[in-house]
Amino acid sequence: GAGVSQSPRYKVAKRGQDVALRCDPISGHVSLFWYQQALGQGPEFLTYFQNEAQLDKSGLPSDRFFAERPEGSVSTLKIQRTQQEDSAVYLCASSFGGGGYTFGSGTRLTVV
Amino acid sequence: AQTVTQSQPEMSVQEAETVTLSCTYDTSESDYYLFWYKQPPSRQMILVIRQEAYKQQNATENRFSVNFQKAAKSFSLKISDSQLGDAAMYFCAYRSGGGADGLTFGKGTHLIIQP
Repeated sequence: GAGVSQSPRYKVAKRGQDVALRCDPISGHVSLFWYQQALGQGPEFLTYFQNEAQLDKSGLPSDRFFAERPEGSVSTLKIQRTQQEDSAVYLCASSFGGGGYTFGSGTRLTVV
Repeated sequence: AQTVTQSQPEMSVQEAETVTLSCTYDTSESDYYLFWYKQPPSRQMILVIRQEAYKQQNATENRFSVNFQKAAKSFSLKISDSQLGDAAMYFCAYRSGGGADGLTFGKGTHLIIQP
């Protein structure tokens, strides 16, 4: 596609529910990143994939967070047993390499 | 670990005037990249300008330019002839030169353009 597509755009979850956030990167982009952006803050790195390999997951805040990219294209960020502190915008970015990133418009998650 | 600091939570400028957004960073690396991103209400991060640390010449993109002071670890963004469409959150970001590390962002500066 022409850009990085994220869905859903908005998600409201009850505390304790599981959620799945989808990222469809630009075709051919090898690298894929997930970021979490709390209200009024800058994005914070969560995890990084190169093709289907998850090379860095050091930013995932707890074992309730899980990301996958099984075929090296679409990626899913899953949050189990959501808590209020998980409320944030989740941004996905993809890159062909060389430091040029294209971001999606994010998913705003609200946990009530 | 690298840190990025934006000390101006909000800046306001008159349309057509010039404004400078500040950014400082802390790193022990010599090879890295610095970025300025614009985030409008649509939430999509849009690259404004990028600077490679090994380049002494300051990057420019039309009305946008940077003042990169490597020794001082400072990377400010100057916007000339400000336009209403420039209103947004602006984030300074750092990336290590080796590999494909993620970006480290500052907390952002909210830029208001006064008509």
